[in-house]
Amino acid sequence: DVKVTQSSRYLVKRTGEKVFLECVQDMDHENMFWYRQDPGLGLRLIYFSYDVKMKEKGDIPEGYSVSREKKERFSLILESASTNQTSMYLCASGTGFLEQYFGPGTRLTVT
Amino acid sequence: QQQVKQSPQSLIVQKGGISIINCAYENTAFDYFPWYQQFPGKGPALLIAIRPDVSEKKEGRFTISFNKSAKQFSLHIMDSQPGDSATYFCAASYTGKLIFGQGTTLQVKP
Repeated sequence: DVKVTQSSRYLVKRTGEKVFLECVQDMDHENMFWYRQDPGLGLRLIYFSYDVKMKEKGDIPEGYSVSREKKERFSLILESASTNQTSMYLCASGTGFLEQYFGPGTRLTVT
Repeated sequence: QQQVKQSPQSLIVQKGGISIINCAYENTAFDYFPWYQQFPGKGPALLIAIRPDVSEKKEGRFTISFNKSAKQFSLHIMDSQPGDSATYFCAASYTGKLIFGQGTTLQVKP
């Protein structure tokens, strides 16, 4: 079974803090993705990566950056957390883009 | 152009009934239409998918109906069970990116 793990299930941070969300996959997938999930808005793509050290902006990259130093690990960074970044963050991986395997999510609250 | 509109937002169905969730899109370049199922506390998981060259795809109790001319597609869950209670997302893709609908929370009552 494909396993995508995320470092934290719940996280509470203060406004202005730098936040790191970590994602690890064990299936040697080339592609990895970060989404945020908000009620009534579905899932929105923040960034994705198709290879180590390669990244592409998704639909809502503002306020976020990413890092992929190893194939199995993809990190999402909030440089200066704001309250409007309170959300559920989902990491996914896949060999292509079409079938994506999701982690359980990290619920981030910024106060 | 890039949006996928999903309805209803929530749905309550009796056990044994048919659940129907609808999605509409504008961009005719979309070429892959998956449905994802998400249980509480879990990430979404691919349930079933269709390409626009077929009008229907069935896997067990789950069927996608696709209407290319109307730019609509729907998920039908036959003989709905309490274990089907989850949030369902439709999506559409071209150039690889998935564009997700807003989600439908389904509750199947025993």
